[in-house]
Amino acid sequence: QVHLQESGPGLVKPSETLSLTCTVSGDFISSYYWSWIRQPAGKRLEWIGRIFTSGGTNYNPSLKSRVTMSVDTSNKQFSLKLRSVTAADTAVYYCVRVSWNGYYYFDLWGRGTLVTVSS
Amino acid sequence: DIVMTQSPDSLAVSLGERATINCESSQSLLYSSNRKNSLAWYQQKPGQSPRLLIYWASTRESGVPDRFSGSGSGTDFTLTISSLQAEDVAVYYCQQYYTDPYSFGQGTKLEIK
Repeated sequence: QVHLQESGPGLVKPSETLSLTCTVSGDFISSYYWSWIRQPAGKRLEWIGRIFTSGGTNYNPSLKSRVTMSVDTSNKQFSLKLRSVTAADTAVYYCVRVSWNGYYYFDLWGRGTLVTVSS
Repeated sequence: DIVMTQSPDSLAVSLGERATINCESSQSLLYSSNRKNSLAWYQQKPGQSPRLLIYWASTRESGVPDRFSGSGSGTDFTLTISSLQAEDVAVYYCQQYYTDPYSFGQGTKLEIK
């Protein structure tokens, strides 16, 4: 069975960089596209960006200036870095799998990890 | 950017009754290439991550009970639960994948009356 597991610090200081990793188990990471989505408490889900296993990326314009995604196919992991964080970046962050046919609905989600931005 | 708006924000329905959730997009989600609407529905139970229920506006994901159905085209879509079960208590989200940035509705909280 396929699982996604987010990992990384749960607390980040303002102005610093949020770093998360998603580990893919039970699947071929190269067979799919991957994304990050976040959910601030009580707010709607927000798509952050996508990465191809070739390394190609595409980011939400609202976050583009601060986001970098990368992939490590040998370790079946992909990562998110969000720079210069503020309290508005406090959210549950999900790593997700894009559908098998490449259309951008999301058919598998990690359990999510809460990241709090606070000093 | 495409804005997704759901209604109502919350809904209370009796067990065994029909629940209907609406989703409106700020522009058409109909692909001219395949004549399909790029609209998905998700269910998020308390303390869990979202689960894909429906894609292409009306195609059920594998394993989703057939009491869940999706309909609509263009800019107006509906998720229907034909006979509400206790395990359906959740927040439901629609999502457009017509173009990036891919966007979600604000969610509809479904409760038992």
